[in-house]
Amino acid sequence: GDSVTQMEGPVTLSEEAFLTINCTYTATGYPSLFWYVQYPGEGLQLLLKATKADDKGSNKGFEATYRKETTSFHLEKGSVQVSDSAVYFCALIPRGYGGATNKLIFGTGTLLAVQP
Amino acid sequence: DTAVSQTPKYLVTQMGNDKSIKCEQNLGHDTMYWYKQDSKKFLKIMFSYNNKELIINETVPNRFSPKSPDKAHLNLHINSLELGDSAVYFCASSPGVGTQYFGPGTRLLVL
Repeated sequence: GDSVTQMEGPVTLSEEAFLTINCTYTATGYPSLFWYVQYPGEGLQLLLKATKADDKGSNKGFEATYRKETTSFHLEKGSVQVSDSAVYFCALIPRGYGGATNKLIFGTGTLLAVQP
Repeated sequence: DTAVSQTPKYLVTQMGNDKSIKCEQNLGHDTMYWYKQDSKKFLKIMFSYNNKELIINETVPNRFSPKSPDKAHLNLHINSLELGDSAVYFCASSPGVGTQYFGPGTRLLVL
């Protein structure tokens, strides 16, 4: 079945370091891909998304590119801040040739801790 | 203005009790969802409603019953609560199959 695999955390970085959180997926058809962020004690917020191959999603300095050839959607940021400390979830919505479903499938989440 | 709201935010109760969690969205979306986040932060869909009609029902015990009185509300009723039901429950909404927007979560603790 459809699934998302992301790197296990925690990822601990110093402020201004470069961030990569790896995400790969397994899906039939051509899914939409998402990164959600969960700050401590809060709900999930959409960070960025991409709906087709080679699309790049970006928001708040974060970027991710939909790579169909490697079935990946890695999250990157050039310079992290303490305020970026949160749990990051990679997710997909499956989409077969008959159209999209609305079932969001999540990875296990990666905790990012940024130290001053 | 809160887009997706849930009540209560925290719920502590005894095993065997029945409880409800309410969700409301003011985004005008057609589709609403319930997700469960376990203690390891893993998120999994439970139910999805589109215009008050159930369209996704994952493998969830019958003790869990969603109810959608109108397309802006989706409530979750849980009968005979068990220890394993302790989790954070998130409501979400979307315009059809578009991006899903999440509520702040309800932290349920069953003692």
